[in-house]
Amino acid sequence: SYVLSQSPSVSVAPGRTASITCQGENIGRYSLHWYQQKPGQAPLLVVYDTSDRPSGIPERFSGSNSGNMATLTISRVEAGDEADYYCQLDDGHSGQVVFGGGTKLTVL
Amino acid sequence: QITLKESGPTLMKPTQTLTLTCSFSGFSFTTPGVGVGCIRQPPGKALEWLGLIYSDDDKRYSPSLKSRLTITKDSSRNQVVLTMTNMDPVDTATYFCAHKPRGGTHFDFWGQGTLVTVSS
Repeated sequence: SYVLSQSPSVSVAPGRTASITCQGENIGRYSLHWYQQKPGQAPLLVVYDTSDRPSGIPERFSGSNSGNMATLTISRVEAGDEADYYCQLDDGHSGQVVFGGGTKLTVL
Repeated sequence: QITLKESGPTLMKPTQTLTLTCSFSGFSFTTPGVGVGCIRQPPGKALEWLGLIYSDDDKRYSPSLKSRLTITKDSSRNQVVLTMTNMDPVDTATYFCAHKPRGGTHFDFWGQGTLVTVSS
């Protein structure tokens, strides 16, 4: 089955740019989605179809996807961005929905 | 405005069967291509996809749990029901349901989740 791999943690200073990666075989062929989850809350969709943002999500959140790696980029990081971030795709070939293992973003 | 809410037992004993209801509003299964997904998250761990049901009653399940899972829908009541047999302490998790939009492969609205603890 398809596997998505994420680094367990990323740290960034306020105002800087955070890059959270998600690796998978030929991931660039898929529409990739990203969720933000704060403690005790349900996941919140922040990027879908690789680079689109739902209504209400700041432009600071952007996504890209190529080859075997997808990236969620958060510009001008704020304290409120501290959360776990999960990537997700739908592997139509196998019919499976797959989530990455999550990355904890710490704002220093 | 789409909302979803999970309801079910909070405490179960091993070998029991979990029946979790996802009640939703703001959309209906009369819209072709709409889906509701079931996802869980053990304490301190990652999200795990369990299964998905579409408006046309097509269903997909996680291969690792397929033998234990059944997802059904009641379109008239705007509900989805997840059944998981032979519960074990490792199944202790927060269980979420989420809306999958027509033509999309993502989950754009999520329920608040409900914690199910399995303990003898």
